[in-house]
Amino acid sequence: GAVVSQHPSRVICKSGTSVKIECRSLDFQATTMFWYRQFPKQSLMLMATSNEGSKATYEQGVEKDKFLINHASLTLSTLTVTSAHPEDSSFYICSARGTAYGYTFGSGTRLTVV
Amino acid sequence: KNQVEQSPQSLIILEGKNCTLQCNYTVSPFSNLRWYKQDTGRGPVSLTIMTFSENTKSNGRYTATLDADTKQSSLHITASQLSDSASYICVVSAGTSGTYKYIFGTGTRLKVLA
Repeated sequence: GAVVSQHPSRVICKSGTSVKIECRSLDFQATTMFWYRQFPKQSLMLMATSNEGSKATYEQGVEKDKFLINHASLTLSTLTVTSAHPEDSSFYICSARGTAYGYTFGSGTRLTVV
Repeated sequence: KNQVEQSPQSLIILEGKNCTLQCNYTVSPFSNLRWYKQDTGRGPVSLTIMTFSENTKSNGRYTATLDADTKQSSLHITASQLSDSASYICVVSAGTSGTYKYIFGTGTRLKVLA
């Protein structure tokens, strides 16, 4: 089946620094990647949608200059949280859409900004 | 407005018992409905996916039903196990080819006790 590898699973960073989260589709080509964040006991909230080779489409209220998304290849998308602040602490999850497999989620990244 | 509502919000049952989770949606145009299981701190894992014409789909001890007329779905868990403790998320896909959008329910938190 389709597998999406997401790294790191946990990261702690200092306020003001940047953090990069990677999502790789291991056995299929992901034409579209979705990035979500999830606060404790809440549902997944879509942040942005990216198609390979083009700029990401951000949901309303999501700062595109703060959450940089790069989808340079059909198997890799990255989310960079720039100048992180404690309120950015959250669970970030990617989801990849391939032509044959539908949608598959990564295992998530727990970001803690101290 | 596209919306997905789940009930109950949380549920506690004894090991070995059955339970049913509900999902009501107002989504148009409907494409498909998925049930996901999300363990704490992990990404969601797909349990079932149902299209408009499907009424029932099983995956081991999980059985999902879909009533497209009333726009309701249920997830029935048979002979619950401790490992079933998780959040169960109903996700409805709306749109047509190339313009899909995921609408997430807020989830049902299930706890199975020994």
